[in-house]
Amino acid sequence: GAVVSQHPSRVICKSGTSVKIECRSLDFQATTMFWYRQFPKKSLMLMATSNEGSKATYEQGVEKDKFLINHASLTLSTLTVTSAHPEDSSFYICSAPLPASGSYEQYFGPGTRLTVT
Amino acid sequence: SQQGEEDPQALSIQEGENATMNCSYKTSINNLQWYRQNSGRGLVHLILIRSNEREKHSGRLRVTLDTSKKSSSLLITASRAADTASYFCATRGTNAGKSTFGDGTTLTVKP
Repeated sequence: GAVVSQHPSRVICKSGTSVKIECRSLDFQATTMFWYRQFPKKSLMLMATSNEGSKATYEQGVEKDKFLINHASLTLSTLTVTSAHPEDSSFYICSAPLPASGSYEQYFGPGTRLTVT
Repeated sequence: SQQGEEDPQALSIQEGENATMNCSYKTSINNLQWYRQNSGRGLVHLILIRSNEREKHSGRLRVTLDTSKKSSSLLITASRAADTASYFCATRGTNAGKSTFGDGTTLTVKP
């Protein structure tokens, strides 16, 4: 089946630094990818929709200058958490829908655990 | 309340018993998906049911969809300790690519 990878799986950074998380679709092309954030024991909160070749679409309340998204190619989207603070510590997950085939199935990456100290 | 609400929030059963989780949603959907998440891990896609389908099976999983009631259920039969995880439903609307997740049901299967 389709595979989505994320890198790194886990990162610890100091307050004030920036962290980049990569999301790759390994065996299919994804013009759209989604970035989610998950707090402990909570559900996934959609942060933004990453669009290849154009600007990302952010959900209400998500700071676009803090969470920079770049959809560099049809298989790669990156999320950069800029000037990270401890409250940005969270589990970040990306997903990519399969190309339009009527199935609309989404495949999720394994997630990235970010800890800001 | 948000799209995709699971019920119950937590479920604890003995191995061998069946587990039923429910999901309700508010707006029209294209499809509904169930996912499983082990603690600290990513999501694993379990099953997708389209709006024109009423029931789907996959191994020990059975999913139903009632669009008139805007609800879905996930049944895990003959549960195993390894089924212990959080289960989420996610709905995909008719005109948007993004999925909206419910709060999830935490299932604990005791050996």
